[in-house]
Amino acid sequence: EAGVTQFPSHSVIEKGQTVTLRCDPISGHDNLYWYRRVMGKEIKFLLHFVKESKQDESGMPNNRFLAERTGGTYSTLKVQPAELEDSGVYFCASSLQSYEQYFGPGTRLTVT
Amino acid sequence: RKEVEQDPGPFNVPEGATVAFNCTYSNSASQSFFWYRQDCRKEPKLLMSVYSSGNEDGRFTAQLNRASQYISLLIRDSKLSDSATYLCVVSSGYSTLTFGKGTMLLVSP
Repeated sequence: EAGVTQFPSHSVIEKGQTVTLRCDPISGHDNLYWYRRVMGKEIKFLLHFVKESKQDESGMPNNRFLAERTGGTYSTLKVQPAELEDSGVYFCASSLQSYEQYFGPGTRLTVT
Repeated sequence: RKEVEQDPGPFNVPEGATVAFNCTYSNSASQSFFWYRQDCRKEPKLLMSVYSSGNEDGRFTAQLNRASQYISLLIRDSKLSDSATYLCVVSSGYSTLTFGKGTMLLVSP
């Protein structure tokens, strides 16, 4: 069974540009989560989808971040416009039940 | 105060040693507890869940003390392949995972 996949694996963009990250969860997993780790800090929760609905978006840093999950399958996370402090590793995770979350390999975002 | 606190290490131990990591959490409403393992530049992977009664999986033993809001992980007979960062993770029961910064373990020959 394929695991959680994320694309791209790396992205380098300039401040002010737009970047869209994609996550494909494990097939059949209704729960999809986005997390972020900035350098020197712990992994932090961004938001949680149940199917196509946002269950909890309390961790989204500001309105420059927009997450979608149309059709309840893959999800995208768009950052527009990107700022230097957005650099970090963005992880996606999915789960059947709420607790056992399986993580993707992450997208390493560098904003210059 | 951080929600989940861990000693960052690194813990340097020889093969075959026993090593213990501790973690404290601040949210008394936390309901679920985990240890994840993260290899360098890789994703976190669930190592084991932690229960109040304590649980063991091979060389790994996890303990939870709700009164003290303290979680531990014991690794016996360390292997080179155990070298990684161990993340203490808690959940309040609403799916959101709260991570510690991790404790780095280096096992040497």
